[in-house]
Amino acid sequence: DAKTTQPDSMESTEGETVHLPCSHATISGNEYIYWYRQVPLQGPEYVTHGLQQNTTNSMAFLAIASDRKSSTLILPHVSLRDAAVYHCILRVLNQGGSAKLIFGEGTKLTVSS
Amino acid sequence: GALVYQYPRRTICKSGTSMRMECQAVGFQATSVAWYRQSPQKTFELIALSTVNSAIKYEQNFTQEKFPISHPNLSFSSMTVLNAYLEDRGLYLCGARPGQGTLYFGAGTRLSVL
Repeated sequence: DAKTTQPDSMESTEGETVHLPCSHATISGNEYIYWYRQVPLQGPEYVTHGLQQNTTNSMAFLAIASDRKSSTLILPHVSLRDAAVYHCILRVLNQGGSAKLIFGEGTKLTVSS
Repeated sequence: GALVYQYPRRTICKSGTSMRMECQAVGFQATSVAWYRQSPQKTFELIALSTVNSAIKYEQNFTQEKFPISHPNLSFSSMTVLNAYLEDRGLYLCGARPGQGTLYFGAGTRLSVL
């Protein structure tokens, strides 16, 4: 039961800044927003995560709406290596306190030269 | 850095037979391990979540009788697919996490069933 909604695909050109949107209207107060990306024949690779504040690292900038019902992963100056399926995921806490990630379909990002 | 190795990378088994896959965490202590299956249609299903010194929690539609999991220490976990049939094919992913930290995935074990 994925709790996030993403566009199926997006296209970009090398050097562009890409904005990948994600909707999570039913997010709970203690659920973190995680982003992973996956290329063919590999497992998901961690990109970033956040709870309420915007976050940034060497891979991406994560902008979280003030009501937390949506977020946007921003990839600056994409290259061909950034082509992947990007998954926006909520980290859900089980009753026992352990956490699990619920994956949706993700957005397939294509990058052309 | 944190790395997760899975082996074998791919395997083929005859319908009705079983196969075991392994997951090794390197560079961190895998307090909890999550096993996922990614179907040929690319959808993810969480099979079970294993935390050291706690009972393994299986998700709906997955059972210990079908997917027994072992998580004996902070660096290793294994899962067996018993009596595999066509609907069991897919990419089996192991995600390992130190404490409440980030979940790191291996490259997966791709299971084909003849």
